[in-house]
Amino acid sequence: GENVEQHPSTLSVQEGDSAVIKCTYSDSASNYFPWYKQELGKGPQLIIDIRSNVGEKKDQRIAVTLNKTAKHFSLHITETQPEDSAVYFCAAKVRSGYALNFGKGTSLLVTP
Amino acid sequence: DTAVSQTPKYLVTQMGNDKSIKCEQNLGHDTMYWYKQDSKKFLKIMFSYNNKELIINETVPNRFSPKSPDKAHLNLHINSLELGDSAVYFCASSQDFFVGQGGTQYFGPGTRLLVL
Repeated sequence: GENVEQHPSTLSVQEGDSAVIKCTYSDSASNYFPWYKQELGKGPQLIIDIRSNVGEKKDQRIAVTLNKTAKHFSLHITETQPEDSAVYFCAAKVRSGYALNFGKGTSLLVTP
Repeated sequence: DTAVSQTPKYLVTQMGNDKSIKCEQNLGHDTMYWYKQDSKKFLKIMFSYNNKELIINETVPNRFSPKSPDKAHLNLHINSLELGDSAVYFCASSQDFFVGQGGTQYFGPGTRLLVL
């Protein structure tokens, strides 16, 4: 099945700096890659997603890039704020398309 | 006006018991899911279900069964609970059965199950 590797597992940045989280996937047929943010005690919330016909997508301070050839995609958060502190998950659609395979998460801490 | 809701939020029970977790979505979505998040935060799909098809992850024990009384609800029944079932269970929903085709997966707040 699809394997999604995510790095780093923890990331600490100072407020105002940028944060980058990277994921790789194994199934070349995957064509949908969402990113979720999970705050303590809550369910994952979609923050941005990208489809395989696009190389980059931006939404204010958040951007995602996709390299289909290398089978990796990355989340970029600029001008980080303390409220960005959370666990971030990348995911890729499984081959059959019925669900998502998630990476193991990155715990991001933004210190004032 | 919660989009995907789950009850209970916390569930503490003894080994061997049978329990249910309820999920409701008010988004009008056709497809619902159950995910399990273990102590290391790893999220894994258990079931995907719409009114036409149920897909079960083959690693899920048959003690777990989803039941859908109607399109807006997908409940999770667990028989003969084991210690290893302790985890957070998330319900999710999306417009379409195939992820990414016009529909994002929206997650509920989770049910924290502890088996003693």
